[in-house]
Amino acid sequence: NAGVTQTPKFRILKIGQSMTLQCTQDMNHNYMYWYRQDPGMGLKLIYYSVGAGITDKGEVPNGYNVSRSTTEDFPLRLELAAPSQTSVYFCASSYAEDTEAFFGQGTRLTVV
Amino acid sequence: QKEVEQDPGPLSVPEGAIVSLNCTYSNSAFQYFMWYRQYSRKGPELLMYTYSSGNKEDGRFTAQVDKSSKYISLFIRDSQPSDSATYLCAMSLAGGTSYGKLTFGQGTILTVHP
Repeated sequence: NAGVTQTPKFRILKIGQSMTLQCTQDMNHNYMYWYRQDPGMGLKLIYYSVGAGITDKGEVPNGYNVSRSTTEDFPLRLELAAPSQTSVYFCASSYAEDTEAFFGQGTRLTVV
Repeated sequence: QKEVEQDPGPLSVPEGAIVSLNCTYSNSAFQYFMWYRQYSRKGPELLMYTYSSGNKEDGRFTAQVDKSSKYISLFIRDSQPSDSATYLCAMSLAGGTSYGKLTFGQGTILTVHP
């Protein structure tokens, strides 16, 4: 049972480039989330999804887009990378609104 | 003012010590309170969770919530070097799709020396 899998683990982007952070879970969870973690700042919610076809903004959505075409996958898109998006990105999933959220191992992104 | 405040430390203790980690918060609507442990370069993993005020014990770990003071704590007894990690408090509103929409503290870096 792989849980929540994120790819890539590391990436360096140039300003203005775009990329997609991949997240997939094999636990048949309905709820999926994207967080970013900056040093000394805890984790902040970017986007979340309560099921296939349904997404909504979190606390810091600007500069990001998401889609949820299947239960398993929840990719995060950066269209025009900026240095402020340098961070560690975590994907998480949970079965329901009152159950534990499981986190992936993270993607370390540097924008230069 | 941040919604959730947590002393980032770092905190360094000898093996066997009792560790106390704390968070304060400003939103009185928070109902679910959690502690996550995060090892270096890993994702957070849920350690303890409590609903509303009260205590919860699991082995060497005890979580306390005092809603009247807007204050939560995590106690680690007989601390071990394997407890060395960053500890994040998190909380959420009740109901609906709010549970996974967590508000995190900054995290406290803990090192337990052999």
